Amino acid sequence: DSGVTQTPKHLITATGQRVTLRCSPRSGDLSVYWYQQSLDQGLQFLIQYYNGEERAKGNILERFSAQQFPDLHSELSLSSLELGDSALYFCASSQAQGSYTFGSGTRLTVV
Amino acid sequence: GEDVEQSLFLSVREGDSSVINCTYTDSSSTYLYWYKQEPGAGLQLLTYIFSNMDMKQDQRLTVLLNKKDKHLSLRIADTQTGDSAIYFCAASETSYDKVIFGPGTSLSVIP
Repeated sequence: DSGVTQTPKHLITATGQRVTLRCSPRSGDLSVYWYQQSLDQGLQFLIQYYNGEERAKGNILERFSAQQFPDLHSELSLSSLELGDSALYFCASSQAQGSYTFGSGTRLTVV
Repeated sequence: GEDVEQSLFLSVREGDSSVINCTYTDSSSTYLYWYKQEPGAGLQLLTYIFSNMDMKQDQRLTVLLNKKDKHLSLRIADTQTGDSAIYFCAASETSYDKVIFGPGTSLSVIP
């Protein structure tokens, strides 16, 4: 157990739907990062939050949004889902030492 | 922005040493990481090195950094079948910045 918890582990949904992925960071970690891993795009950085504030944005589509709550958990919402959104979505958290810990991911399948 | 490259495949015999190479483009990258991903699993941080270091050794793992050439390598001594996985090289400017990943090197260990 890495200490970063992601739910659900698997999600199957239809095109056009909206889903929300949840991440609880390691205790004490203020930064949360979201990544998308797909076969053709590799591991792509989506967005980072630090202590509730958005800190950096990567290749995140406008149909996707995220937030970090006061208790530091984060949610990534994906709307108007397309087949190409099928991927593994990872959350990671970090402390000042540069130790970047990943959760086990949510596998999203859009049918 | 940062771009991280690595060869996609490596095959070695059990007991031999494996060397996985990586290059990065952004000289301001301060943290350089190696992650391991086993099939169906999340990413596991193996080790990281600061840009002011040339080498770091941790049991069977040795990381070498040539900052001038922006070249990073991971050597796994006495490679075992359990080392078969995808190894990701990654870089970030600070411990709180987004981490940019390479495409991953798939290591196959032949018994």
